[in-house]
Amino acid sequence: QKEVEQNSGPLSVPEGAIASLNCTYSDRGSQSFFWYRQYSGKSPELIMFIYSNGDKEDGRFTAQLNKASQYVSLLIRDSQPSDSATYLCAVRVDMRFGAGTRLTVKP
Amino acid sequence: DAGITQSPRYKITETGRQVTLMCHQTWSHSYMFWYRQDLGHGLRLIYYSAAADITDKGEVPDGYVVSRSKTENFPLTLESATRSQTSVYFCASSGKTGELFFGEGSRLTVL
Repeated sequence: QKEVEQNSGPLSVPEGAIASLNCTYSDRGSQSFFWYRQYSGKSPELIMFIYSNGDKEDGRFTAQLNKASQYVSLLIRDSQPSDSATYLCAVRVDMRFGAGTRLTVKP
Repeated sequence: DAGITQSPRYKITETGRQVTLMCHQTWSHSYMFWYRQDLGHGLRLIYYSAAADITDKGEVPDGYVVSRSKTENFPLTLESATRSQTSVYFCASSGKTGELFFGEGSRLTVL
C-alpha cells in the first residue's frame, strides 16, 4: 500500500516565525515530490516541487528531500497571516496526497 | 479560454442514481486525475489516466467508472450513487513537469 503521511495539525505559529511542515512516504520508487497550498473552499495550488535530495529554495519557501529516510519537508520563513491554509504533500508516481496540515499564522 | 474546467460545479442527487462529472482540459496534457476530498482525508485519488484509452485505479476506485476516449476529456461516473460518495471532487491534469493543475471542483451531495 503506497502511503503519504503528514504531521498531524493543526499547526499554529506567530507572524514572522518559521513554520515547518513534514511528510513521509512509503513507496521508494517515488520520483518527484510536490507541496500544494489550499485555501478554504478553493482548489489546491502548487507551491513548489523537488526531485533531488537536499534543499530547494523559492522565496520564503524551502523544500527539503531525503530519499533515504523517505521524508520531505516544507519550511516557510517569515510566516504571514496570508500563509494560513492547508498544506498538502503529494508524491509521484501516481500523485497521491497526504491528508494535509492546516497552518494558522497569528498576527 | 485555456485551462481545466469541471461541470457541474454543484450537484444534488438521490441514492441509486447515476451521476457523471465532466472534466475538460485545453492544454493537451497527457495525464489526468480524479480526486475526492473529504474532511480529515485530504485528497484521495480515485482514478488516473496516462493517455487516451489508458486508465488506472487509484486509492478509492470502488463505485466509480472513468473513460478517456479523447485526450482532453476525462469524465467520472458514479453508476449508482451512495451517500458515502457525497464529497468534493477535483479533476486535475499534468504535463511534463509533473505539476498538477486543478479544476475548481464539483460539490456532490447524495441524499
